[in-house]
Amino acid sequence: NAGVTQTPKFQVLKTGQSMTLQCAQDMNHNSMYWYRQDPGMGLRLIYYSASEGTTDKGEVPNGYNVSRLNKREFSLRLESAAPSQTSVYFCASRGTSAETQYFGPGTRLLVL
Amino acid sequence: AQSVTQLDSQVPVFEEAPVELRCNYSSSVSVYLFWYVQYPNQGLQLLLKYLSGSTLVKGINGFEAEFNKSQTSFHLRKPSVHISDTAEYFCAVSANDYKLSFGAGTTVTVRA
Repeated sequence: NAGVTQTPKFQVLKTGQSMTLQCAQDMNHNSMYWYRQDPGMGLRLIYYSASEGTTDKGEVPNGYNVSRLNKREFSLRLESAAPSQTSVYFCASRGTSAETQYFGPGTRLLVL
Repeated sequence: AQSVTQLDSQVPVFEEAPVELRCNYSSSVSVYLFWYVQYPNQGLQLLLKYLSGSTLVKGINGFEAEFNKSQTSFHLRKPSVHISDTAEYFCAVSANDYKLSFGAGTTVTVRA
């Protein structure tokens, strides 16, 4: 039981390049989330998916897209990376009618 | 919408001394409150949570927190810290939509 896994662990991009961050959970959770963590700002919600087939914007969605591929997987795509998207990205999942979110180990992204 | 203020950005403390991390929240509705810990280069791990009932909540690793509705606070305490408690601590709040709003974090550095 791996919990929430994220790939890659670290990535360097050039401005304008695109990439997809992958997230998978094996806890049969319905809800999944993408956050970014920046120094002095805590974690901010980018997008979330309350259930398979649905996605909604969070606090900072600009420049990102998401896909809930199936119940297990929730990917985050940067179509044209910008230096302002340099951050640590965390995926989380939550079971139905449960309050606790479980977090993955994070992806460190550097955009030059 | 909910918001969280962590009143201390950095807390240095000597080993075996007590520590208190302060968290205030703002919300117009009833909330759930959480403390997460992030060890260096790792994801977030749940320390404890308040959902309802007793205002004193005990968590893992000897941590506890007290919910004070009148002061809208949820301060985290540990009576005696260890070197291994060096980490960043995040207070978070959610309403019954389960979307988390995080504070900016408090870095705890435990010195021998």
